[in-house]
Amino acid sequence: GESVGLHLPTLSVQEGDNSIINCAYSNSASDYFIWYKQESGKGPQFIIDIRSNMDKRQGQRVTVLLNKTVKHLSLQIAATQPGDSAVYFCAENGNFNKFYFGSGTKLNVKP
Amino acid sequence: NAGVTQTPKFQVLKTGQSMTLQCAQDMNHEYMSWYRQDPGMGLRLIHYSVGAGITDQGEVPNGYNVSRSTTEDFPLRLLSAAPSQTSVYFCASSYLTTGGSDEQYFGPGTRLTVT
Repeated sequence: GESVGLHLPTLSVQEGDNSIINCAYSNSASDYFIWYKQESGKGPQFIIDIRSNMDKRQGQRVTVLLNKTVKHLSLQIAATQPGDSAVYFCAENGNFNKFYFGSGTKLNVKP
Repeated sequence: NAGVTQTPKFQVLKTGQSMTLQCAQDMNHEYMSWYRQDPGMGLRLIHYSVGAGITDQGEVPNGYNVSRSTTEDFPLRLLSAAPSQTSVYFCASSYLTTGGSDEQYFGPGTRLTVT
């Protein structure tokens, strides 16, 4: 099956610092990637997406970088806030209509 | 819009019992899907549908059935509950684009315990 994994299961950052969450994927045919945020007891919430014809995409305080050569995806959060504390998942649309999720990274923001 | 709604929020079943988890969306999305999330893990796709009358299997379909008689509803049936099906279940929906399914909107989840 598909494999989407994360390098760091837990990331602790100081409020105001930038955060970088990484993700590796295994299917070179994947053409669409999404980052989700999941707060405790809630469903995943869309943060930002990127298609394989792009290397970088920016949103409000968030940037996603895609490196297809090494099959790597990252999420950068600028000026991290306590409200950013959550589990972050990357997902790839590796088989047209099937999404495969990584195991998640927990982000702790220290005040 | 209510978005994606799921019922019930919590459910306890005994081994061998059957039940249906309900999912509905009011965004006229073609694509709907069911995931399960086990503790400390990511989501795994159970079944999905690209439109009324069309369903297909995901990564972990065994023990579950789905149907899609309308665009709005996508119920998930557990045929004979087993303790291994203890999990949190999420329903999601999205538009379909030429590149496949798009950003998915998730429901709040159903926490199922099988004893």
